[in-house]
Amino acid sequence: GENVEQHPSTLSVQEGDSAVIKCTYSDSASNYFPWYKQELGKRPQLIIDIRSNVGEKKDQRIAVTLNKTAKHFSLHITETQPEDSAVYFCAASKRITGNQFYFGTGTSLTVIP
Amino acid sequence: ETGVTQSPTHLIKTRGQQVTLRCSSQSGHNTVSWYQQALGQGPQFIFQYYREEENGRGNFPPRFSGLQFPNYSSELNVNALELDDSALYLCASSIGQGYHEQYFGPGTRLTVT
Repeated sequence: GENVEQHPSTLSVQEGDSAVIKCTYSDSASNYFPWYKQELGKRPQLIIDIRSNVGEKKDQRIAVTLNKTAKHFSLHITETQPEDSAVYFCAASKRITGNQFYFGTGTSLTVIP
Repeated sequence: ETGVTQSPTHLIKTRGQQVTLRCSSQSGHNTVSWYQQALGQGPQFIFQYYREEENGRGNFPPRFSGLQFPNYSSELNVNALELDDSALYLCASSIGQGYHEQYFGPGTRLTVT
């Protein structure tokens, strides 16, 4: 089955700096890669996703890049704000199996004011 | 907030007992996935139901079973509870089998003593 690794496990940045979280996946057939943000005690919420036919996607301060050859994808958050502090999870899935998500272990991001 | 609801919110059970968790999917969603999230870990895929049929299963033993009803709500049943089953159980609903966002419920916190 799919194995998703995520690094780093914790990340602290100063407000206004950029944050980068990296994930690798093992199954070359995976073709959909969402990123979820989970605040303490709350449900995971989708913040951005990318499909395998796209190399990069951006939504305001958030961007995701995908390298299919190397089987890794990254989340980039620019101009970080204290409200970006949360746990971020990457995931990988295959459309053919109905988008069953395999998640990374999470990155706890702290933005220091 | 999404329209996905789960009940109960918290549950305490004793080792060896059985438990049933419930999930009401968002209106119009016919696919429900269940995940187990241990403390400090990413969600782990348990299984998925699509139009009342199991549509994939993760690496969980048969004592984890489920159902999906004609209204697309779903149940997760766990028999012979073990201490390691203590976790947050999340369900997520989505539309069909394509590249669709999964909307998570608030989760059920299960504690096994």
